[in-house]
Amino acid sequence: GEDVEQSLFLSVREGDSSVINCTYTDSSSTYLYWYKQEPGAGLQLLTYIFSNMDMKQDQRLTVLLNKKDKHLSLRIADTQTGDSAIYFCAELSGGSYIPTFGRGTSLIVHP
Amino acid sequence: DAGITQSPRHKVTETGTPVTLRCHQTENHRYMYWYRQDPGHGLRLIHYSYGVKDTDKGEVSDGYSVSRSKTEDFLLTLESATSSQTSVYFCAIRGRYEQYFGPGTRLTVT
Repeated sequence: GEDVEQSLFLSVREGDSSVINCTYTDSSSTYLYWYKQEPGAGLQLLTYIFSNMDMKQDQRLTVLLNKKDKHLSLRIADTQTGDSAIYFCAELSGGSYIPTFGRGTSLIVHP
Repeated sequence: DAGITQSPRHKVTETGTPVTLRCHQTENHRYMYWYRQDPGHGLRLIHYSYGVKDTDKGEVSDGYSVSRSKTEDFLLTLESATSSQTSVYFCAIRGRYEQYFGPGTRLTVT
C-alpha cells in the first residue's frame, strides 16, 4: 500500500528554524497536509497544500512540496517552546476519502 | 474548532464488557471516521462512514462495530473489550479537502 515516512524526532533551540520532512510514495497524491498534536489533545490541522503548488506560506509556517521527489517539508520560523508537539504529515489521493498518515515527528524545543 | 465532541473522554472498563464511544458533530459533514492511536503504530483507521447507515471497514476493524443512524452521530462499539483495545480513540470528520479531529477518548481495558 501507499506509505508516508517521517523521522521520529527533531530537537531545536528556541528562536531557530525547524524543518520537518516527509516523503510519500503515492504519485497520485492530490492533497498533502500537516497536523500538530499537543499532549493529550487531538490532531489540529495546521495547513495543507495542493499537489499543483510548490510552496505555501502562512505566518511562521512554510510548506514546500517537491512533487518529483515526493518530498514535503514544514518549516517553522522562530520556533517557540509552544511549538513542541508531534507533527503529522498526511496525503490524500484524488477520488479517495481516506488519507494516509505518517507516524509523526516529535519536535522538542529547548530554551 | 470543527464542532466535534467525543464522549466519554476517559473510560476504564474490564475485559469482556461492551463499550460504546460516541462522536458528535455539528457541521453536517457526510464523512466521519474512527481511528485509534498507539505508540509505535501512529494513527490506524478502524471504520468510517460516508452517510447515514453507510459504513465501511478500515485496516484494524476486528473487534469493533459502528453505527450511524443520524448525520451528526457516529458510534464505535467494542462488543467485548480486550486489553489490546486499550488505546486513544479519535473521531474525525471530512471537510472539503481535509479532516478535522475530535479531542479523543482514552480507553483503558483492565
